[in-house]
Amino acid sequence: LAKTTQPISMDSYEGQEVNITCSHNNIATNDYITWYQQFPSQGPRFIIQGYKTKVTNEVASLFIPADRKSSTLSLPRVSLSDTAVYYCLVGSPSGGYNKLIFGAGTRLAVHP
Amino acid sequence: DVKVTQSSRYLVKRTGEKVFLECVQDMDHENMFWYRQDPGLGLRLIYFSYDVKMKEKGDIPEGYSVSREKKERFSLILESASTNQTSMYLCASSRELGSNEQFFGPGTRLTVL
Repeated sequence: LAKTTQPISMDSYEGQEVNITCSHNNIATNDYITWYQQFPSQGPRFIIQGYKTKVTNEVASLFIPADRKSSTLSLPRVSLSDTAVYYCLVGSPSGGYNKLIFGAGTRLAVHP
Repeated sequence: DVKVTQSSRYLVKRTGEKVFLECVQDMDHENMFWYRQDPGLGLRLIYFSYDVKMKEKGDIPEGYSVSREKKERFSLILESASTNQTSMYLCASSRELGSNEQFFGPGTRLTVL
């Protein structure tokens, strides 16, 4: 299972774009990159998943360079409600049980 | 929207008590999971189930058992609660066993005195 490394914490202000980078040097060919968001006293929530290049949904964008050894979650124009812990995970969704490994995550604080 | 509900948000029990944590999902998912989350340790998988009456041990099954009698319901049982089982317990479900997308419930914060 590929280990991921991401910053422990980040600070931002309302209206700014936030980019959280995750490194996963040992990512395997079949692995996808998945991001979750967790608010205090709630379970994690799936945000976005990608394999390569760029993926965008209504919440965020995910940028993955060609070597796939890192990825960047981009949150456009954050608000106070985006204050949460963000987790980067890698794993293969093909066949068998895929154990999700949540590390410490990145604690994002959005300030007024 | 997928909804995963857990029977209690907060629970306080005494050492030695038998504790039941219930989880229900409404999206007909085959797979259900129980995790515990502790500061500095992330989420750790206790048990998972890929079908009714089927279960598999996760990373930390000791002191726990599970029951899945119906597809939508997955129960975690602490046979004899101990103080080191004080934790946040999270239930999740997924459509495919290999999926990276799991849907989590709100969690149950259990305190064992």
